[in-house]
This record gives sequence, structure tokens and C-alpha cells, in this order.
Amino acid sequence: EAQVTQNPRYLITVTGKKLTVTCSQNMNHEYMSWYRQDPGLGLRQIYYSMNVEVTDKGDVPEGYKVSRKEKRNFPLILESPSPNQTSLYFCASSFDPRGVNEKLFFGSGTQLSVL
Amino acid sequence: SQQGEEDPQALSIQEGENATMNCSYKTSINNLQWYRQNSGRGLVHLILIRSNEREKHSGRLRVTLDTSKKSSSLLITASRAADTASYFCATFLLIQGAQKLVFGQGTRLTINP
Repeated sequence: EAQVTQNPRYLITVTGKKLTVTCSQNMNHEYMSWYRQDPGLGLRQIYYSMNVEVTDKGDVPEGYKVSRKEKRNFPLILESPSPNQTSLYFCASSFDPRGVNEKLFFGSGTQLSVL
Repeated sequence: SQQGEEDPQALSIQEGENATMNCSYKTSINNLQWYRQNSGRGLVHLILIRSNEREKHSGRLRVTLDTSKKSSSLLITASRAADTASYFCATFLLIQGAQKLVFGQGTRLTINP
């Protein structure tokens, strides 16, 4: 089944403790992206990747890191999480978002709470 | 800043009625997409309409696009309880040489039995 898999689904951590949220897609998609969703602010893009070893900042990259060493994986790293990073996070992928026929496939989300 | 703005922010109707949600955007687009999100879950793509299309159908969904008014609407006919969700429009923007998909704030739709 074609899907984007995020883990974990829920995560509670404390300020400053490094964490990684994993994202994997099995559709051979070129493009992958991370979003965070907050009440009243909608979905905001954190980082995206057009291909392996190519990553770019989105709208709210501060406090986050990503890597794209393999086509299928795009982990989101919080080196020193802070309470303002408490949010619902989504990973998404697409074959090529620059094409007019492309849509995004989303993971199920990771609810992160930073205490 | 968000490209698309949905209207209304929330909509509550009876099962069987039609639901209409609107999306306005600010700049020229190649296409506009609509997504659905069940509470706390990932977004699911519903339909994509290109800038040279005026209307598109998919099952009980009907999407229109008016590029002169920079607006789109999503109509769900004969609504069902399972249609309860948030609906987002999204458009691609060319920002600093890169195409980015930008989402609106969403319309929260509630279907009452």
C-alpha cells in the first residue's frame, strides 16, 4: 500500500532533550516536506526536499533540522526542543510538486508536546 | 503568509444538505487543490483543478475556479456524517525560485445527523 509513515504518533518530551521524528515513503517520491499545524495558524512548512541531499528551508525552519540521505526517508530533528515547538507535525511527499498534476500524500501526524 | 483563505471558518449543516466552502487567493496560480483532514489526522487530497479549468467533479464533490476573482469553491452534495472534517485549499507559490504549496486556514465542517 502506498503510504507515508511517520513515527511516533505521540511524543512527550522535556525542554532540551534532542528528538527525531521519522518519516518514510514507499512511493519513490522525489519531493518530501515537513509541516506543523497549530490552531489559528494553519499548516506551515518547516523544511522540504526536492531530491536526495537537497533540502531547503520552509516558512518556519528555526529550531529544526532535516536530512535526506535516502530517497525514502526524511527525518525531522529537534536538537533542543522548546515548549513553542509543541505542535502537530506532518510529513508529506509527492513525485514532483512542480508539476500541475501532482498532489501531496500525508502521513498520519505526530503530536509533540514539549514540557 | 497564507495564500488561500477559506470562508466560512466553520459550517454546520444537517445530513443530506449541500455544503459550500470558498477559498480566495492573492496571486496567479497554476492549479488549486482541496484537501480534507479528519480530526488530528493527516490531510487527504480530494481534487486538483488547473488554472485553465472552470469546474471539476469527483463523486459528490464539485469544485469551481474563477481566476478573474481569484477564488474557488468546493461543493459537497448530499452530505453525510462521514463528511465531518476540516477542508483546506492549497496553491503553489513561486517563492524565491522554489515552488511551495501553501495552505489556507481551513473550513471546519460539521454534519449533524
